[in-house]
Amino acid sequence: EVQLVESGGDLAQPGGSLRLSCAASGFTFSLHWMHWVRQVPGKGLVWLALNNPDGSHTSYADSVEGRFTISRDNAKNTLSLQMNSLRVEDTAVYFCARDYGGTLDSWGRGTLVTVSS
Amino acid sequence: QSALTQPASVSGSPGQSITISCTGTSSDVGGYNYVSWYQQHPGKVPKLIVFDVNDRPSGVSNRFSGSKSVNTASLTISGLRAEDEADYYCSLYTASHVLFGGGTKLTVL
Repeated sequence: EVQLVESGGDLAQPGGSLRLSCAASGFTFSLHWMHWVRQVPGKGLVWLALNNPDGSHTSYADSVEGRFTISRDNAKNTLSLQMNSLRVEDTAVYFCARDYGGTLDSWGRGTLVTVSS
Repeated sequence: QSALTQPASVSGSPGQSITISCTGTSSDVGGYNYVSWYQQHPGKVPKLIVFDVNDRPSGVSNRFSGSKSVNTASLTISGLRAEDEADYYCSLYTASHVLFGGGTKLTVL
């Protein structure tokens, strides 16, 4: 069974940093593209970033380009999202998701990030 | 990177059929077939219900079907049930980005 478990969500101050992790199990992590998606409670889904299987290719939404960095450790089956220069509007639940041939077929339960002074 | 356009809400009675549209442009929906649809109940994780425009993952009811015409993708739910009441999101996977629609709240009357 595919499992994705996010962690690292916390309260951060504007301008601060957080690092989220996503532990993957139940599938061959090193063969899959992976994504981060966020959702403000009560609002819609917003795609943030993707990462190819060997980590050599990344792509970001305009809203986080230059502030967030997606990376992975295939030896540890872990996806990460380094978030710098946090803004109040980055407050959301952050999901990691597995890419299966052009669709996000499996999602973690998410981790809550709150940015507030 | 504009979001895809969905109606904010749709409603229907049990047993009826409803269709949710997802409108983009010739540069996104019109140019790619990686259209997916997700169902999300309150407080729950998004669940994939349609991918590649009109394919369903194993275990998803055939009451859910997808289609695409020019720059608009659509999700049809037939034989509405109370448990179908949820938020529905379309998405499009391009070569380097994923676009989501704003979401549609389905109310089963």
